[in-house]
Amino acid sequence: GEDVEQSLFLSVREGDSSVINCTYTDSSSTYLYWYKQEPGAGLQLLTYIFSNMDMKQDQRLTVLLNKKDKHLSLRIADTQTGDSAIYFCAEIKNRDDKIIFGKGTRLHILP
Amino acid sequence: DTAVSQTPKYLVTQMGNDKSIKCEQNLGHDTMYWYKQDSKKFLKIMFSYNNKELIINETVPNRFSPKSPDKAHLNLHINSLELGDSAVYFCASSPRLPGHEQFFGPGTRLTVL
Repeated sequence: GEDVEQSLFLSVREGDSSVINCTYTDSSSTYLYWYKQEPGAGLQLLTYIFSNMDMKQDQRLTVLLNKKDKHLSLRIADTQTGDSAIYFCAEIKNRDDKIIFGKGTRLHILP
Repeated sequence: DTAVSQTPKYLVTQMGNDKSIKCEQNLGHDTMYWYKQDSKKFLKIMFSYNNKELIINETVPNRFSPKSPDKAHLNLHINSLELGDSAVYFCASSPRLPGHEQFFGPGTRLTVL
């Protein structure tokens, strides 16, 4: 199938690191993405990674890509209340340029 | 200076009506998209236009018809609305194909009664 899989919920204490995991399906996907959706808002592109990279770091965000296992993760260091949102993993299908989204992981921050 | 804007933000209507949602982007992008987000937050692409030309047309009922009068606009017209059409509809744009770095609008919450 063409499902991108991710767990639906994650609870993390403020100040800890959050790790959101995702598995994708198309080994030929050239781009993989993380989008953030805050309550009542549109999606915002957080970061993306080319398939020829293993890791990308951008301030508090670290993306790890394991192409062999088709596994993508997003680590948020020093999680803050403003990080509370739904995080969508997505891949782009080369053959038809469609972005396929996972169902989203709702990140809940505990005080 | 909103990048991707949609109107209306909320739309409540009766079953059987015809309605339109408008989308405009001022980013100079070539490609625009419509997505449907269901109650479980699952996002599914409906249509994609590149330079006013239809590129992606997923399995969407014929009641949904996109219209792109120019590169900056992609409107979604829905005929004979059904209860199952209730969802949040997101417009997005990207500089070109492939459509990475898509910029999303704020969404239109459609409720069909």
